[in-house]
Parts: sequence; structure tokens; C-alpha cells
Amino acid sequence: AQTVTQSQPEMSVQEAETVTLSCTYDTSENNYYLFWYKQPPSRQMILVIRQEAYKQQNATENRFSVNFQKAAKSFSLKISDSQLGDTAMYFCAFLSNFGNEKLTFGTGTRLTIIP
Amino acid sequence: GAGVSQSPSNKVTEKGKDVELRCDPISGHTALYWYRQSLGQGLEFLIYFQGNSAPDKSGLPSDRFSAERTGGSVSTLTIQRTQQEDSAVYLCASSLASVTGEQFFGPGTRLTVL
Repeated sequence: AQTVTQSQPEMSVQEAETVTLSCTYDTSENNYYLFWYKQPPSRQMILVIRQEAYKQQNATENRFSVNFQKAAKSFSLKISDSQLGDTAMYFCAFLSNFGNEKLTFGTGTRLTIIP
Repeated sequence: GAGVSQSPSNKVTEKGKDVELRCDPISGHTALYWYRQSLGQGLEFLIYFQGNSAPDKSGLPSDRFSAERTGGSVSTLTIQRTQQEDSAVYLCASSLASVTGEQFFGPGTRLTVL
């Protein structure tokens, strides 16, 4: 079974600074997907970024980028030029490549952007 | 188009009562998932529906929990004889049967069992 670990329960950073959220996972599979989801106080889970394990290039979406280290089973999220609207819970998640299977989530990191 | 919707948004019930939570997935999405998010925890998988296949119920915590999906669209999660430990946010998600893997989430139902 896959496991996802987020070792930072809470983080805070000044507005406009850069912050990195950590995620490690454990799997015996070679092909899979990794995700970062954002959950603001409204509870709506929003996809931030996705990485396919077979792609060596790190995914980037505007101010959000990942550092995907497949051998180390590490998948960190970097938020550049942080904004107040980035304040939320961030969840790292794993998805098997074998069809539409369930997501396995980490326990989340609560990120607070300080004005 | 419309996203995933869930109702009610909040539900307060007394211990021992039954509750039904509803999920309307995105039109055309064949896969539907239920997750539970307890206070301070990540999301815990409950059940997964894919088209007309038998659902994957491996995440249901007890036989008090059941779910159905009618007509391949709307889903109802039922919790019988609710207990205080059932208090949580119940999230529904849907996705296309594709290789993108992206699941789209609803806003959740916050269940409080007194």
C-alpha cells in the first residue's frame, strides 16, 4: 500500500517570500501521479499542480513549481512570490496509474501567509 | 460548467440517528469517490464508483456506512446509527475515465454528531 508523509504540520511565511512544502511517499510502482491540492477555509479542494512519474521535467504552474525526486520518493511544492490568498491547507496526494483509483493523501500542511 | 455539488453543506444530528449525504458529480464523469476528513487529518478514502462496475467499498469503516449511485450520476452516502466519531467533513469527488487522474472535489458536507 502507498503512504504519503507531510512532515510539516504548519508553516508561515511573509507575503512575497518563497516557501517550500515537503512531501515524501512510498510505493513499489514505477508509474503513478502526484498532486498538490489546496484547501482554503471554504473547504473546496483545488488542484494546484500535477506530476506524472514518467516525466523527468518538474511541473510548473505560474508561481507554483515542484521538485520531483523519483529515486528519493520526494515531491516538494515551491510557492514563489507568496500571496495572502495562498493561505490554506496543502495536501500532497498519490494516485496509482492503474485506472481511476483512490487518492492517498498526506495529513496536510497549514500554510499561513503573513501580510 | 457546474462543478461537483454536495448537500447539505452542514448537518447536525443526534447520536443514533441515520443521515444521508448527497453528491452531484460533474456531468459526464464516470468515476465518483467519497472521502472523509476528520479534524486535523488528511482525507481518508471511503468508496469509489466507476461506471457500471461494482463499487470499491474497501474504505468504508463499518457496516453502518453504505453508498449508492443511481443512474451513473447522483450518489448518496448513508450513515446509520451515527456515532460521535462519525463527525467529520465528507467530501465527494468525480473524474473522467482518463489517464489525467485529476479528481474534482465538491465543497463537502460537515457532519456533527451530538
